[in-house]
Amino acid sequence: GQQVMQIPQYQHVQEGEDFTTYCNSSTTLSNIQWYKQRPGGHPVFLIQLVKSGEVKKQKRLTFQFGEAKKNSSLHITATQTTDVGTYFCAGSWRGSTLGRLYFGRGTQLTVWP
Amino acid sequence: DAGVTQSPTHLIKTRGQQVTLRCSPKSGHDTVSWYQQALGQGPQFIFQYYEEEERQRGNFPDRFSGHQFPNYSSELNVNALLLGDSALYLCASSWRRGGDSPLHFGNGTRLTVT
Repeated sequence: GQQVMQIPQYQHVQEGEDFTTYCNSSTTLSNIQWYKQRPGGHPVFLIQLVKSGEVKKQKRLTFQFGEAKKNSSLHITATQTTDVGTYFCAGSWRGSTLGRLYFGRGTQLTVWP
Repeated sequence: DAGVTQSPTHLIKTRGQQVTLRCSPKSGHDTVSWYQQALGQGPQFIFQYYEEEERQRGNFPDRFSGHQFPNYSSELNVNALLLGDSALYLCASSWRRGGDSPLHFGNGTRLTVT
């Protein structure tokens, strides 16, 4: 069945260092979304990527969608303590039910001052 | 503009009992999806409701059932609770005609089964 693999599971960085999380699918995705979940909170939508090779930026966050639409990454430049949380990628495939997303396991980011 | 609201926030139940969780979608949304998030895992799709019907179901047993009301709000029912049902239950709403539009999640209901 459809599955989205995400690595690493954990990442500990010092404030100011960069952070990257990667997401992979064995089959071509229709689109991929990224969510952030703060400790004790709920997933909050960050971005959606639809086009092959798409790159989107939100301040210090850069999101990429692979040319084959099978992988994606989220890169944070110069992390801050406010970046702490778990970052999830969530994919959907053509033909899957609208609104049904397959979430990766998430990358838990810890930032120490 | 109210976002997605869920109740209760926390619940403690005993094995074998039944539980009902409630969700009101974001204003303007007509589709409600339920996800289960175990500790340290990503959300797992349970099912989705649109126009008061279950549209698709994830890999969950029949003990999990739901309902959507004419005002788009929804309930998740779990019968014969097992210890493994302990998790954060998330309701997410979206607008069906928005295609693969982003999901708006509620704060979740933390269910503990003892």
